[in-house]
Amino acid sequence: AAGVIQSPRHLIKEKRETATLKCYPIPRHDTVYWYQQGPGQDPQFLISFYEKMQSDKGSIPDRFSAQQFSDYHSELNMSSLELGDSALYFCASSSGLEYEQYFGPGTRLTVT
Amino acid sequence: GENVEQHPSTLSVQEGDSAVIKCTYSDSASNYFPWYKQELGKRPQLIIDIRSNVGEKKDQRIAVTLNKTAKHFSLHITETQPEDSAVYFCAASKREYGNKLVFGAGTILRVKS
Repeated sequence: AAGVIQSPRHLIKEKRETATLKCYPIPRHDTVYWYQQGPGQDPQFLISFYEKMQSDKGSIPDRFSAQQFSDYHSELNMSSLELGDSALYFCASSSGLEYEQYFGPGTRLTVT
Repeated sequence: GENVEQHPSTLSVQEGDSAVIKCTYSDSASNYFPWYKQELGKRPQLIIDIRSNVGEKKDQRIAVTLNKTAKHFSLHITETQPEDSAVYFCAASKREYGNKLVFGAGTILRVKS
């Protein structure tokens, strides 16, 4: 079965640079979630979109923005990167009011 | 907002023994409680979930119980195997469009052979 696709899988950036992470949900899923996971920590919710509209917002820094496009893929844009932004970024998708969220393989972002 | 507490933080068991991980949640409006297994550097994988209208659910060697009154739920793994070694996260959510999962801090499970 098709899964959530994330790109790139690994990304190395320097401080103050920008990064764009992409997420392609499972086919026919209309809801996308972004989570940030630091080393040894639980995933922390950043933001979600349902039918291309922002549906929930968590502890996402103002330096980050995201959107969901007409084909339901989503992009997380991160600017003025800081060392503390180094983490695994997961995208998850679900279908409408279905409960289950399925996670992608993640993007490992390293800021040097 | 929702807060999920998870215990223990680490758990070591002998192969073949049972393992129990417990979580409590704070928001009585939460009605969906999934459990995820995560291996090092990999994605969280949904292993079992329970909804608030059910008290218990079982899938082969794993089971989850929910006590809505006490606001706690538990994961039970029987006949543990070395491949069960991983980090397990509980989570809570409400059934709303795009509603987030709030995770517990995780339990490192080690199954010794």
